[in-house]
Amino acid sequence: DGGITQSPKYLFRKEGQNVTLSCEQNLNHDAMYWYRQDPGQGLRLIYYSQIVNDFQKGDIAEGYSVSREKKESFPLTVTSAQKNPTAFYLCASSIGTGRSSYNSPLHFGNGTRLTVT
Amino acid sequence: SQKIEQNSEALNIQEGKTATLTCNYTNYSPAYLQWYRQDPGRGPVFLLLIRENEKEKRKERLKVTFDTTLKQSLFHITASQPADSATYLCALGGFNKFYFGSGTKLNVKP
Repeated sequence: DGGITQSPKYLFRKEGQNVTLSCEQNLNHDAMYWYRQDPGQGLRLIYYSQIVNDFQKGDIAEGYSVSREKKESFPLTVTSAQKNPTAFYLCASSIGTGRSSYNSPLHFGNGTRLTVT
Repeated sequence: SQKIEQNSEALNIQEGKTATLTCNYTNYSPAYLQWYRQDPGRGPVFLLLIRENEKEKRKERLKVTFDTTLKQSLFHITASQPADSATYLCALGGFNKFYFGSGTKLNVKP
């Protein structure tokens, strides 16, 4: 059964520590995305990648880093530079890239809830 | 910058009635608009996509309209059921980016 797997579901870290969130997909999708969701706000794009070894900053990339060494994997690192890291993080993928990304729906994982204290 | 507005107040309706959710946007001319359903603690699930040259799209009990003059989309669920209770998000399609509203929570009471 194809889909996107995010792990772990809950993650707790101390302030000042870097933490990496895992995202794996077996949908053979080219494009992958990381969003952050906070209460009362829309999903905000952190980073996206259209192809292996290439990625672009989204609207709130500061304090985050990503890698795309394999098509199936797009891990997100929340660094100590991120001022307000506690949030619900969602990974997504879509089949299309470029102009075809317009009409390609996003497939989401079930998220990782990160709490930093 | 673009702004997407969905009613932040929950919509409470009785089972069997039609639920209508609104998505308004400004400073943007999307070629596509999508609707997603999100259950608590889970990722959004894609429901429907409508293109700018389409006025209306239907899928089973769901109907979406897209008025590019009003910059508004309406999402209807007919014959609503308690299982339809969830948060519904609209998303505007951009080049390699999707901009999401904050969602409207729908409560369908039996």
